[in-house]
Amino acid sequence: GQQVQQSPASLVLQEGENAELQCSFSISTNQVQWFYQRPGGRLIGLSYIPGMKPTGKQTSSTVTKGRHSSLTISSSQTTDSGTYFCRGNNKLTFGQGTVLSVIP
Amino acid sequence: GGIITQTPKFLIGQEGQKLTLKCQQNFNHDTMYWYRQDSGKGLRLIYYSITENDLQKGDLSEGYDASREKKSSFSLTVTSAQKNEMAVFLCASSILGAEQYFGPGTRLTVL
Repeated sequence: GQQVQQSPASLVLQEGENAELQCSFSISTNQVQWFYQRPGGRLIGLSYIPGMKPTGKQTSSTVTKGRHSSLTISSSQTTDSGTYFCRGNNKLTFGQGTVLSVIP
Repeated sequence: GGIITQTPKFLIGQEGQKLTLKCQQNFNHDTMYWYRQDSGKGLRLIYYSITENDLQKGDLSEGYDASREKKSSFSLTVTSAQKNEMAVFLCASSILGAEQYFGPGTRLTVL
């Protein structure tokens, strides 16, 4: 089945810095969805490709050749801290997540 | 907008017990899902259901049963709770192939 790898496993940003989170799929996918989870909170869909639905966060995501997706977090804020997951559509499998900590 | 509710929010059971988690959605979505989230790990699919009375196994179905009683509800049963079952169970729903909406989760603790 499809394997999903996310990198990095965790990162720390200074407030205002940008970051790019990576997601790789073992089997090509034509749909990628990114999710955000605050510690102890529910998963919230950030975007859906195709048909991007930005949530007001300064994020963008891209899909390259169906095997990779990146999520860019621009001008990070402390409220962006949490875990980010990606998933494709070929099999209902999520990556292990990237833990983001934004410090003031 | 719609909502997904999961009950109970916290579930504490004894090792060996049969435990049931419930999920309701009012999006009128056809597809519903159950995932398990272990601390520090990603989500793993247990079961999903494309329509009422349909049931599809995910990667982690062993040790679980599921039931799609009607379009709006999807139940998950831990057939025999084990110590290593402590996790958060997340329910989701979607139109098949489209964006998923998640419930708040049920946190399971086995004594």
